[in-house]
Formats: sequence, C-alpha cells, structure tokens
Amino acid sequence: AQSVAQPEDQVNVAEGNPLTVKCTYSVSGNPYLFWYVQYPNRGLQFLLKYITGDNLVKGSYGFEAEFNKSQTSFHLKKPSALVSDSALYFCAVRDTPGSGNTGKLIFGQGTTLQVKP
Amino acid sequence: NAGVTQTPKFQVLKTGQSMTLQCAQDMNHEYMSWYRQDPGMGLRLIHYSVGAGITDQGEVPNGYNVSRSTTEDFPLRLLSAAPSQTSVYFCASSYQASRRNEQFFGPGTRLTVL
Repeated sequence: AQSVAQPEDQVNVAEGNPLTVKCTYSVSGNPYLFWYVQYPNRGLQFLLKYITGDNLVKGSYGFEAEFNKSQTSFHLKKPSALVSDSALYFCAVRDTPGSGNTGKLIFGQGTTLQVKP
Repeated sequence: NAGVTQTPKFQVLKTGQSMTLQCAQDMNHEYMSWYRQDPGMGLRLIHYSVGAGITDQGEVPNGYNVSRSTTEDFPLRLLSAAPSQTSVYFCASSYQASRRNEQFFGPGTRLTVL
C-alpha cells in the first residue's frame, strides 16, 4: 500500500532563514509526489509536484522540493522564510486509479510551519 | 476561471436534517471528489467521480450520497445529519484520474451538526 509520512508535527523557523519540511514515501512503481499548503480556514492549494526529470522541482511562492529516490524522500524547501509562509503543509501521493483504487490523494499527517519575525 | 467553488461556506444543522453541499468547477475536469477533514485524521475520501454519470464510494461513504449529472457539478447530500458528520468538507477536481495530475481544492464548507 502506498503511504506518505511527515515526521515533524511542527517546524519553527525565524523569518529570513531557510526552511525544510520533511516527507518520506512508500509507493509501488514510479512515485508521483505532491505538496499542498493550507492556510487557516482555507482550502488546500497545490504547491508543486514531482513526476519525472530533475530531482529539484520548483513551485509556487518560491518553494522547491528535492526528490531523493535512494532515501525515498521529497522534502519541501525555501531559501528564505516569510512570516506569511506560516501554514499547514501536506505531502501527498496519488493512488493509482482502477483495480479497487479510487485515485484519491494519500496525504501525510501534515506539518505546521511557524515562521517567527 | 473561478476554479472549484463550494457553497455554503458555513452551515449548522440539527440532527436528522438533510442538506446538499454544492460543488462546481469550470476547468472541464473529469475527476471530482469529496473529502472530509477532521482534526488528527487528515483528509478522508467520501465519494468520487471519474466523469459525468459515474460515481463511486471512497473510504467513508456512509450517510452521504452523490450524483454527477454534468461535468461541472458534483453535489454531496447528507440524508439525515448526525453529530459525527460535523467536519470541514472539501471538494476537489483534476483533469483526469491519472496519478500524474494534481487535484484542485475548493475553499471548503464548515458543517456543524447539533
């Protein structure tokens, strides 16, 4: 079964410092990985995805993620954090549709990012 | 494009009442789905649809019905609301069910059942 894990419930960073939000995965076949962000009282917003190609994927709002096949990781990064980056971040893999699978997103448990001024 | 829209934003029901949560998308997406988000449990899939006229159950379908008469709309019906259905409901859509495609989420409906 496919799964995603985010080992940290919360990450605290000072504004201007680099940030990393960790994600590890377990999938069969090629991994197609996603990052979403949820601001308070808002829906989930797509940040970026890894399908194939370069291991460093660039996304919205200056975020990027590094795919590491040997470590089965897909960590989210940003060189310089902003207070406005404070939110709940989800790593996800999409289930393969068909054969009893629903095509749903399989989410990690989420990591709260707190950026302090 | 408005993307994925949901109405209402907030709703309070009494136990036993029925209601419909509306979801619409203007991106011509084939795949649509409903999730509920509960504290400490992440997002769980309720129902999904791979195209107009086709729906199927997700992880937690009991107490909910869906239909998909058009590509654009995917309403979620609560037939007889229960306090256990107090949650935040998100509708999502994607171009196809393929696992390469990201899903786009609506702003959510916060439902309280008393």
